[in-house]
Amino acid sequence: NAGVTQTPKFRVLKTGQSMTLLCAQDMNHEYMYWYRQDPGMGLRLIHYSVGEGTTAKGEVPDGYNVSRLKKQNFLLGLESAAPSQTSVYFCASSDWGNTEAFFGQGTRLTVV
Amino acid sequence: DAKTTQPPSMDCAEGRAANLPCNHSTISGNEYVYWYRQIHSQGPQYIIHGLKNNETNEMASLIITEDRKSSTLILPHATLRDTAVYYCIVRGNTGKLIFGQGTTLQVKP
Repeated sequence: NAGVTQTPKFRVLKTGQSMTLLCAQDMNHEYMYWYRQDPGMGLRLIHYSVGEGTTAKGEVPDGYNVSRLKKQNFLLGLESAAPSQTSVYFCASSDWGNTEAFFGQGTRLTVV
Repeated sequence: DAKTTQPPSMDCAEGRAANLPCNHSTISGNEYVYWYRQIHSQGPQYIIHGLKNNETNEMASLIITEDRKSSTLILPHATLRDTAVYYCIVRGNTGKLIFGQGTTLQVKP
């Protein structure tokens, strides 16, 4: 039981490049989330999903796209990376209702 | 989902109880109060949550006022390893989980 796994853990991108971050959970959770955390700041919600095939915008969705084609995976895409997207990205999942969320260990992304 | 207000930082002596306050004056009847903490920029870790009754687990206690407009997280015997950023979150039925700025707790020897 691995919990929530994020791939990759580190990445350096050039401005304008694209990439996809993968979040995988093995707990059969319905809800999944993508956050970004800038230095000295709290986590900000980018997008989230309340079930397979669904996605919704969070607080800071611009510049990102997501997909939830399989229940266990939640993909975060950057179509044209910008230096302002340099951040640590966290993924999380939780079950229906009011239950705890489990977080991955983060992906440190640098856009140069 | 309701907003929360927390003090930016607090200190606590090792071995003493740490009491972290949170205001959530616009909370709705079906919204829960959650607490998470983040240590050294790791992924946040769940601590406890509650609706209106006080809750206790192996990590902490959660005290929610009768009007539900504020709550306090209590770490009964703080250790140096409890130094972290603590987030109070109000979560409703939308499924969203919105973090604020949190309280940086520094446990001192």
